[in-house]
Amino acid sequence: GQQLNQSPQSMFIQEGEDVSMNCTSSSIFNTWLWYKQDPGEGPVLLIALYKAGELTSNGRLTAQFGITRKDSFLNISASIPSDVGIYFCAGRSTSGTYKYIFGTGTRLKVLA
Amino acid sequence: GAVVSQHPSRVICKSGTSVKIECRSLDFQATTMFWYRQFPKQSLMLMATSNEGSKATYEQGVEKDKFLINHASLTLSTLTVTSAHPEDSSFYICSASRGFDEQFFGPGTRLTVL
Repeated sequence: GQQLNQSPQSMFIQEGEDVSMNCTSSSIFNTWLWYKQDPGEGPVLLIALYKAGELTSNGRLTAQFGITRKDSFLNISASIPSDVGIYFCAGRSTSGTYKYIFGTGTRLKVLA
Repeated sequence: GAVVSQHPSRVICKSGTSVKIECRSLDFQATTMFWYRQFPKQSLMLMATSNEGSKATYEQGVEKDKFLINHASLTLSTLTVTSAHPEDSSFYICSASRGFDEQFFGPGTRLTVL
């Protein structure tokens, strides 16, 4: 099935550093979601974005809906060990579908 | 709010048997439920979308006779893997939505077919 390109694929960072990841699409989306998945568990919703240019925060996490509507960004500030996991973006197109397309994932590892 | 449960969390079965996985929205009514499959270190791949009281819509390449989906109520959907084979071993995750908004995921079911 169709997938969104997510970058970077994986990253190792030091505790306390800031993290940035992005998701890009060839299609226009009207909703972006960001999830975190721990091993052996289902994804947990972090942030939902509904408008182009929207910037939304959830604690140390901030996500933005790109102005072109073809991309989205997630930033994590002052990373801590429990931020370890896989982060997925998900986008829904403007065609009125209920379906979301998921990104390829960014695997984050935090070094204490 | 927006809690989704899945049962069982793990199941091991013999080749040729059928396995049923339940997905429940615990504190909201889900107009739509989705079933995904995830292989190790890969993203989620949508298998099918189901709406309460109607037939599920399957993604291209997903066998509807093999993966039977029943969305019996606004809080329950089931996925039955019929005549399971080792290649069906995977992590199956459901999600539920109240409409044109976020999807909330269950904890997943690890299926191992021997």
